[in-house]
Amino acid sequence: AQRVTQPEKLLSVFKGAPVELKCNYSYSGSPELFWYVQYSRQRLQLLLRHISRESIKGFTADLNKGETSFHLKKPFAQEEDSAMYYCALPRNYGGSQGNLIFGKGTKLSVKP
Amino acid sequence: NAGVTQTPKFQVLKTGQSMTLQCAQDMNHEYMSWYRQDPGMGLRLIHYSVGAGITDQGEVPNGYNVSRSTTEDFPLRLLSAAPSQTSVYFCASSPTGGKGYTFGSGTRLTVV
Repeated sequence: AQRVTQPEKLLSVFKGAPVELKCNYSYSGSPELFWYVQYSRQRLQLLLRHISRESIKGFTADLNKGETSFHLKKPFAQEEDSAMYYCALPRNYGGSQGNLIFGKGTKLSVKP
Repeated sequence: NAGVTQTPKFQVLKTGQSMTLQCAQDMNHEYMSWYRQDPGMGLRLIHYSVGAGITDQGEVPNGYNVSRSTTEDFPLRLLSAAPSQTSVYFCASSPTGGKGYTFGSGTRLTVV
């Protein structure tokens, strides 16, 4: 079964500390994975796509197929990073990729 | 270019009432989806469409109907509102399946 697991509901760090938001997945085939961010009461915004391998707002994520993980990392957290973060992957419909399956999200709180 | 537009932003319904949540996109995206967001549950797929005239059920379709008569619009109908449908509803669109969905700003629905 296709599944996304974010084991931490809440992650609290101090400003300037490193951040790692965990995401594990189960998927048959080669998934395209995403991280979305939702600031307080706003719409979800695409933060990262693993296939593009870019860094947005200082965040990076590496796909580890051996560990089936796609953890989101930032070396120095900022207060404005406080938000809800969702990991997502597309459903596999007979080899083609469809709608997104989301994890339950991790709330990141960065304290001054 | 407005992206994905959802109306209304807020709505209070009485149990048993019906209503339609509107969603429109101006990016000529083929894929459109409706999700509901509940605390601790992440985002769950209600219904989706892969093109005009084609819709299908997601994880939690009961109590909801959709139609897709045009590429631009994908309304979600609540047939007989129940308190369990109190949630935040997000519409999203994508040019193809699983390729970086764009989300609307959400509709916060309360059923009393």
